[in-house]
Amino acid sequence: ETGVTQTPRHLVMGMTNKKSLKCEQHLGHNAMYWYKQSAKKPLELMFVYNFKEQTENNSVPSRFSPECPNSSHLFLHLHTLQPEDSALYLCASSLGLAGVKETQYFGPGTRLLVL
Amino acid sequence: AQKITQTQPGMFVQEKEAVTLDCTYDTSDPSYGLFWYKQPSSGEMIFLIYQGSYDQQNATEGRYSLNFQKARKSANLVISASQLGDSAMYFCAMTSGQNFVFGPGTRLSVLP
Repeated sequence: ETGVTQTPRHLVMGMTNKKSLKCEQHLGHNAMYWYKQSAKKPLELMFVYNFKEQTENNSVPSRFSPECPNSSHLFLHLHTLQPEDSALYLCASSLGLAGVKETQYFGPGTRLLVL
Repeated sequence: AQKITQTQPGMFVQEKEAVTLDCTYDTSDPSYGLFWYKQPSSGEMIFLIYQGSYDQQNATEGRYSLNFQKARKSANLVISASQLGDSAMYFCAMTSGQNFVFGPGTRLSVLP
């Protein structure tokens, strides 16, 4: 079951471009997350939103700008990226934030290549 | 601070055999949840199984079972009757409250 969708699935952009990643969840969840997965590095949590409010920003550079207009949609706006930002960007959602049974469900990811 | 350790970067298993993927964790919270995810080459992280710290029985989901040893702080994933489609990266993760931590992963290759 894929209740979390992400578009685009693949993206190639130059360092001066501006692009946006989109995530949509159809699970009725209230919390949404952006993760970065680089080759040979652990999954890195970037941003957390709960009921549209940002609750966590893990020291992410300002060239990444998240937006959460409602509990079902999450965007990641990209501008003036660097080649080291090339990675798989995963979106996830969970019913809530608190509690030890909060399973996160992931989208298919966007593979980003910055040239 | 929470930490997940997966000591096996890569594992091989023969088709139809069982395989155990190791996971140890560290937390000072008495209440926590443990998860396993599968990530095929397509990239999507697929939730497999959950174990709560207060659950008395080991979790099972089809061919997946979690060997939970609380005193040893281990939560190993057992896959029975391996299939070629089980070839993927497997991540152990933990949450206690609002922190969700992933391990570095184990790459499983199922041989025909």
